[in-house]
Amino acid sequence: DAKTTQPPSMDCAEGRAANLPCNHSTISGNEYVYWYRQIHSQGPQYIIHGLKNNETNEMASLIITEDRKSSTLILPHATLRDTAVYYCIVRVSGGSNYKLTFGKGTLLTVNP
Amino acid sequence: GAVVSQHPSWVICKSGTSVKIECRSLDFQATTMFWYRQFPKQSLMLMATSNEGSKATYEQGVEKDKFLINHASLTLSTLTVTSAHPEDSSFYICSARGGEAMNTEAFFGQGTRLTVV
Repeated sequence: DAKTTQPPSMDCAEGRAANLPCNHSTISGNEYVYWYRQIHSQGPQYIIHGLKNNETNEMASLIITEDRKSSTLILPHATLRDTAVYYCIVRVSGGSNYKLTFGKGTLLTVNP
Repeated sequence: GAVVSQHPSWVICKSGTSVKIECRSLDFQATTMFWYRQFPKQSLMLMATSNEGSKATYEQGVEKDKFLINHASLTLSTLTVTSAHPEDSSFYICSARGGEAMNTEAFFGQGTRLTVV
Protein backbone atom coordinates (compact mmCIF):
# COMPACT_ATOMS: atom_id res chain seq x y z
CA ASP A 1 0.00 0.00 0.00
CA ALA A 2 1.12 3.52 -0.71
CA LYS A 3 2.02 5.54 2.37
CA THR A 4 0.09 8.60 3.36
CA THR A 5 1.14 11.73 5.19
CA GLN A 6 -1.29 13.81 7.21
CA PRO A 7 -0.81 16.70 9.62
CA PRO A 8 -1.11 15.45 13.21
CA SER A 9 -3.72 18.00 14.19
CA MET A 10 -5.95 20.77 12.90
CA ASP A 11 -8.46 23.18 14.36
CA CYS A 12 -11.63 24.46 12.78
CA ALA A 13 -14.35 26.85 13.90
CA GLU A 14 -17.84 25.46 14.17
CA GLY A 15 -19.87 26.19 11.03
CA ARG A 16 -16.83 26.71 8.85
CA ALA A 17 -15.46 24.29 6.29
CA ALA A 18 -12.78 21.88 7.47
CA ASN A 19 -10.21 21.00 4.83
CA LEU A 20 -8.06 18.00 5.73
CA PRO A 21 -5.06 17.35 3.47
CA CYS A 22 -3.40 14.05 2.68
CA ASN A 23 -0.28 13.37 0.67
CA HIS A 24 0.07 10.03 -1.11
CA SER A 25 2.82 10.67 -3.62
CA THR A 26 3.57 6.98 -4.21
CA ILE A 27 0.00 6.03 -5.08
CA SER A 28 -0.36 3.66 -7.99
CA GLY A 29 -2.97 3.59 -10.68
CA ASN A 30 -5.27 1.00 -9.15
CA GLU A 31 -5.26 2.33 -5.60
CA TYR A 32 -8.24 4.08 -4.12
CA VAL A 33 -8.12 6.86 -1.55
CA TYR A 34 -10.30 6.13 1.47
CA TRP A 35 -11.21 8.37 4.36
CA TYR A 36 -12.38 7.13 7.75
CA ARG A 37 -12.79 8.92 11.03
CA GLN A 38 -12.73 7.74 14.62
CA ILE A 39 -14.54 9.55 17.34
CA HIS A 40 -13.08 8.92 20.76
CA SER A 41 -13.62 5.35 22.04
CA GLN A 42 -15.61 4.28 18.99
CA GLY A 43 -14.86 2.21 15.93
CA PRO A 44 -13.84 4.00 12.73
CA GLN A 45 -16.60 5.35 10.53
CA TYR A 46 -16.39 5.23 6.75
CA ILE A 47 -16.65 8.67 5.16
CA ILE A 48 -15.86 8.55 1.48
CA HIS A 49 -13.54 7.09 -1.12
CA GLY A 50 -12.41 7.85 -4.65
CA LEU A 51 -10.07 6.84 -7.43
CA LYS A 52 -9.59 9.77 -9.80
CA ASN A 53 -12.65 11.96 -9.83
CA ASN A 54 -13.83 14.20 -7.07
CA GLU A 55 -16.54 12.64 -4.95
CA THR A 56 -19.29 14.02 -2.77
CA ASN A 57 -21.75 12.39 -0.41
CA GLU A 58 -23.92 13.51 2.48
CA MET A 59 -20.97 13.64 4.83
CA ALA A 60 -18.13 15.17 2.87
CA SER A 61 -16.40 15.94 -0.41
CA LEU A 62 -13.17 14.39 -1.61
CA ILE A 63 -10.95 16.36 -3.92
CA ILE A 64 -8.16 14.39 -5.61
CA THR A 65 -5.47 16.22 -7.53
CA GLU A 66 -5.01 15.43 -11.19
CA ASP A 67 -1.72 13.63 -10.57
CA ARG A 68 -3.39 11.77 -7.66
CA LYS A 69 -0.49 12.50 -5.36
CA SER A 70 -2.62 14.30 -2.84
CA SER A 71 -6.21 14.73 -1.78
CA THR A 72 -8.33 16.88 0.49
CA LEU A 73 -11.32 15.87 2.55
CA ILE A 74 -13.78 18.70 2.96
CA LEU A 75 -16.41 18.87 5.69
CA PRO A 76 -18.48 21.79 4.41
CA HIS A 77 -19.98 22.95 7.70
CA ALA A 78 -18.10 21.46 10.61
CA THR A 79 -19.96 20.80 13.85
CA LEU A 80 -18.68 19.94 17.31
CA ARG A 81 -19.58 16.31 16.63
CA ASP A 82 -17.08 16.24 13.80
CA THR A 83 -14.23 16.36 16.31
CA ALA A 84 -12.39 13.11 15.62
CA VAL A 85 -9.23 11.56 14.23
CA TYR A 86 -9.44 11.44 10.44
CA TYR A 87 -7.56 8.75 8.59
CA CYS A 88 -6.56 8.89 4.94
CA ILE A 89 -5.81 5.43 3.59
CA VAL A 90 -4.60 4.31 0.20
CA ARG A 91 -5.56 0.77 -0.49
CA VAL A 92 -4.29 -1.90 -2.84
CA SER A 93 -6.71 -3.65 -5.14
CA GLY A 94 -9.40 -5.93 -3.81
CA GLY A 95 -9.59 -9.68 -3.52
CA SER A 96 -7.40 -11.55 -1.09
CA ASN A 97 -4.91 -8.66 -0.85
CA TYR A 98 -7.44 -6.29 0.66
CA LYS A 99 -6.19 -4.55 3.76
CA LEU A 100 -6.80 -1.26 5.49
CA THR A 101 -3.64 -0.01 7.15
CA PHE A 102 -4.15 2.94 9.44
CA GLY A 103 -1.57 5.66 9.95
CA LYS A 104 -1.67 8.21 12.73
CA GLY A 105 -4.31 10.38 11.09
CA THR A 106 -5.24 13.99 11.80
CA LEU A 107 -6.95 15.00 15.00
CA LEU A 108 -9.53 17.57 13.95
CA THR A 109 -10.84 19.70 16.76
CA VAL A 110 -13.92 21.76 16.00
CA ASN A 111 -14.16 24.72 18.32
CA PRO A 112 -17.35 26.58 19.28
CA GLY B 1 -23.81 2.36 5.55
CA ALA B 2 -23.82 -1.25 6.54
CA VAL B 3 -23.97 -2.19 10.22
CA VAL B 4 -21.35 -4.18 12.07
CA SER B 5 -22.06 -5.02 15.68
CA GLN B 6 -19.58 -6.08 18.34
CA HIS B 7 -20.35 -7.69 21.65
CA PRO B 8 -19.58 -6.98 24.38
CA SER B 9 -18.79 -3.27 24.31
CA TRP B 10 -16.58 -3.67 27.33
CA VAL B 11 -15.37 -6.53 29.47
CA ILE B 12 -13.27 -6.92 32.57
CA CYS B 13 -11.66 -10.28 33.20
CA LYS B 14 -9.18 -11.83 35.57
CA SER B 15 -5.66 -12.59 34.49
CA GLY B 16 -5.37 -16.10 33.10
CA THR B 17 -8.94 -16.38 31.88
CA SER B 18 -10.16 -16.32 28.28
CA VAL B 19 -12.46 -13.77 26.73
CA LYS B 20 -14.53 -14.09 23.58
CA ILE B 21 -15.54 -11.09 21.47
CA GLU B 22 -18.19 -11.41 18.78
CA CYS B 23 -18.45 -9.46 15.57
CA ARG B 24 -21.59 -9.62 13.47
CA SER B 25 -22.54 -8.09 10.15
CA LEU B 26 -26.20 -7.28 10.57
CA ASP B 27 -27.40 -6.44 7.08
CA PHE B 28 -24.88 -7.96 4.73
CA GLN B 29 -22.80 -11.07 4.30
CA ALA B 30 -19.20 -10.48 5.26
CA THR B 31 -16.84 -12.45 3.08
CA THR B 32 -13.89 -11.00 4.96
CA MET B 33 -13.55 -9.81 8.52
CA PHE B 34 -10.64 -8.04 10.14
CA TRP B 35 -9.56 -7.69 13.74
CA TYR B 36 -7.68 -4.66 15.01
CA ARG B 37 -6.20 -3.67 18.34
CA GLN B 38 -5.75 -0.11 19.51
CA PHE B 39 -3.75 1.01 22.51
CA PRO B 40 -4.39 4.42 24.09
CA LYS B 41 -3.39 7.36 21.90
CA GLN B 42 -2.21 5.05 19.15
CA SER B 43 -3.61 4.11 15.78
CA LEU B 44 -5.37 0.88 14.89
CA MET B 45 -3.11 -2.10 14.36
CA LEU B 46 -4.34 -4.93 12.17
CA MET B 47 -4.09 -8.24 13.97
CA ALA B 48 -5.58 -10.70 11.49
CA THR B 49 -7.77 -11.18 8.47
CA SER B 50 -10.30 -13.96 8.22
CA ASN B 51 -12.36 -15.28 5.36
CA GLU B 52 -15.46 -17.32 6.00
CA GLY B 53 -14.65 -21.00 6.30
CA SER B 54 -10.87 -20.52 6.19
CA LYS B 55 -8.12 -20.11 8.72
CA ALA B 56 -7.27 -16.58 9.66
CA THR B 57 -4.17 -14.86 8.37
CA TYR B 58 -2.27 -13.21 11.19
CA GLU B 59 -0.05 -10.18 10.95
CA GLN B 60 3.57 -10.48 11.89
CA GLY B 61 4.08 -10.51 15.64
CA VAL B 62 0.53 -11.56 16.50
CA GLU B 63 0.34 -14.90 18.31
CA LYS B 64 -2.25 -17.07 16.61
CA ASP B 65 -2.51 -19.42 19.59
CA LYS B 66 -3.26 -16.53 21.91
CA PHE B 67 -5.74 -14.70 19.69
CA LEU B 68 -8.04 -17.36 18.29
CA ILE B 69 -10.20 -16.23 15.40
CA ASN B 70 -13.17 -18.13 14.07
CA HIS B 71 -15.18 -17.03 11.06
CA ALA B 72 -17.75 -19.79 10.95
CA SER B 73 -20.44 -18.01 8.99
CA LEU B 74 -20.85 -15.08 6.63
CA THR B 75 -22.24 -12.94 9.42
CA LEU B 76 -20.19 -13.88 12.47
CA SER B 77 -16.56 -13.83 13.47
CA THR B 78 -15.21 -14.31 16.98
CA LEU B 79 -11.94 -13.34 18.59
CA THR B 80 -10.94 -15.24 21.71
CA VAL B 81 -8.15 -13.84 23.83
CA THR B 82 -6.79 -16.87 25.63
CA SER B 83 -5.03 -16.75 28.98
CA ALA B 84 -5.40 -13.00 29.08
CA HIS B 85 -2.83 -10.87 30.85
CA PRO B 86 -2.89 -7.19 31.80
CA GLU B 87 -0.79 -6.32 28.75
CA ASP B 88 -3.65 -7.61 26.58
CA SER B 89 -5.85 -4.81 27.88
CA SER B 90 -6.76 -2.81 24.83
CA PHE B 91 -9.54 -1.65 22.52
CA TYR B 92 -10.38 -4.42 20.05
CA ILE B 93 -12.21 -3.50 16.87
CA CYS B 94 -13.60 -5.68 14.11
CA SER B 95 -14.30 -4.74 10.54
CA ALA B 96 -16.28 -6.50 7.84
CA ARG B 97 -16.33 -6.33 4.09
CA GLY B 98 -19.11 -7.62 1.93
CA GLY B 99 -17.33 -8.35 -1.30
CA GLU B 100 -14.03 -8.44 -3.13
CA ALA B 101 -14.63 -5.72 -5.64
CA MET B 102 -11.81 -3.20 -5.65
CA ASN B 103 -13.87 -0.41 -4.23
CA THR B 104 -15.95 -2.25 -1.65
CA GLU B 105 -15.54 -0.40 1.59
CA ALA B 106 -15.17 -2.03 4.99
CA PHE B 107 -17.39 -1.17 7.94
CA PHE B 108 -16.35 -1.22 11.56
CA GLY B 109 -17.90 -2.35 14.78
CA GLN B 110 -18.10 -0.06 17.77
CA GLY B 111 -15.18 -1.74 19.48
CA THR B 112 -14.70 -3.76 22.67
CA ARG B 113 -12.77 -2.36 25.58
CA LEU B 114 -10.95 -5.25 27.31
CA THR B 115 -9.46 -4.73 30.76
CA VAL B 116 -7.51 -7.58 32.31
CA VAL B 117 -7.00 -7.30 36.05
